[in-house]
Order: sequence, then structure tokens, then C-alpha cells
Amino acid sequence: KNQVEQSPQSLIILEGKNCTLQCNYTVSPFSNLRWYKQDTGRGPVSLTIMTFSENTKSNGRYTATLDADTKQSSLHITASQLSDSASYICVVSDNYGQNFVFGPGTRLSVLP
Amino acid sequence: DVKVTQSSRYLVKRTGEKVFLECVQDMDHENMFWYRQDPGLGLRLIYFSYDVKMKEKGDIPEGYSVSREKKERFSLILESASTNQTSMYLCASRPPPGGGSNEQFFGPGTRLTVL
Repeated sequence: KNQVEQSPQSLIILEGKNCTLQCNYTVSPFSNLRWYKQDTGRGPVSLTIMTFSENTKSNGRYTATLDADTKQSSLHITASQLSDSASYICVVSDNYGQNFVFGPGTRLSVLP
Repeated sequence: DVKVTQSSRYLVKRTGEKVFLECVQDMDHENMFWYRQDPGLGLRLIYFSYDVKMKEKGDIPEGYSVSREKKERFSLILESASTNQTSMYLCASRPPPGGGSNEQFFGPGTRLTVL
């Protein structure tokens, strides 16, 4: 069964600190993996997309990694800001990008 | 920028009522989706549509129906709302397959409470 797991379920850090969120998947065949950010009361917004051949991709203070062999991805946030407080959702596509399997998300809280 | 709008941000209905949730996108996307989001479960696909008047069941279609009369509008219908349909409902649209990106663009969500 295609599944996406994320850890931790929730995380609290102080402003300015770094953190890493994890995503493990069993989706096959693999097409791509996206990280979405979902602010409270809003819909998810795409942060980055990883394809099979990509190991690392950055978007400002966000850096995503992908290990297609172990089927793991991480999202690293550097120098966190209060506005980073949100849920981060890992989504894996199969079947040439047609089907989407969503992880449950990690709830990040950045405190001053 | 792609804009996906949903008719209501918050909605409170009673058990047995018929509920309409509407979604409109302005990017001429063929594909549109309805999800529900519950804590700890992630987004689950209810229905999707890949063209006007076309619809496909997702993973949890029971208790729901949809309507796509115009390309830009995709409606989710709860024929007889029940308390277990209390949830956050998210609409999304995306470009057609083969266009180079499968990014889904989401609306702000409708938080539905059924009493």
C-alpha cells in the first residue's frame, strides 16, 4: 500500500534555531516528492519539488533532500522565523505524477 | 498568480441538511480536486474531475457527490450531512498532465461543522 509517513508529529523550536523534518514513503512507482507549507487557516502552498535524480534543492532558508534508495526525504529549515510556524506536508506522486499520496504533516511552532 | 477560491471559510450545518461547497479557479486548469483534512490523517481525496462534466471517485467518496458544469467551478455536495463529515475541506486545481508540473494549487479551505 502506498503510504507517506512524517516525523515528528509536532515540533517546537526557538526563533533563530534550525530544524529538520522527516518524510518516509513507500509509494511506487515514484514520480516526484513535494513539500508543502500550510499556514493555519489556509491551504497548502508548494515549497519545493524533488524528482528521482535530485538529491538536494533549496528555496531560501528551506533545503529539501531526497534519498530515492532509502525512500526518505528531509526538509531543513535554517535560522527559523516566527512566520515558519505552520504545518509541513510531504506529498509523493506516483504513476507519472497523476496520483498523490499525502503525509499527515508535521506541525512546527517557532517561539520568540 | 493562480487563485483558487472557496465559497465559505466556515460553515455550520445540522445533521441531515444538504450542503454545497463551491470552488472556483482562475487558471483554466482542467484538473480539480476535493479533499478533506482531518488531524493525524493528512489530506484524503474525495473526488476529482479532469474535465467539464467528468468526475472520478477518490479514496473516500461515500456520502459525497460533485458537479462540474463549468471548467472553472467544481462543487462538492453533501446530500445529507452527518456529524462524521465535520472536517476541513480543501479544493485544489492543477495543470493538465504532461504540462511539466503537477503542482496542485489549493484554496483556503472550508471548515465545516455538522451538529
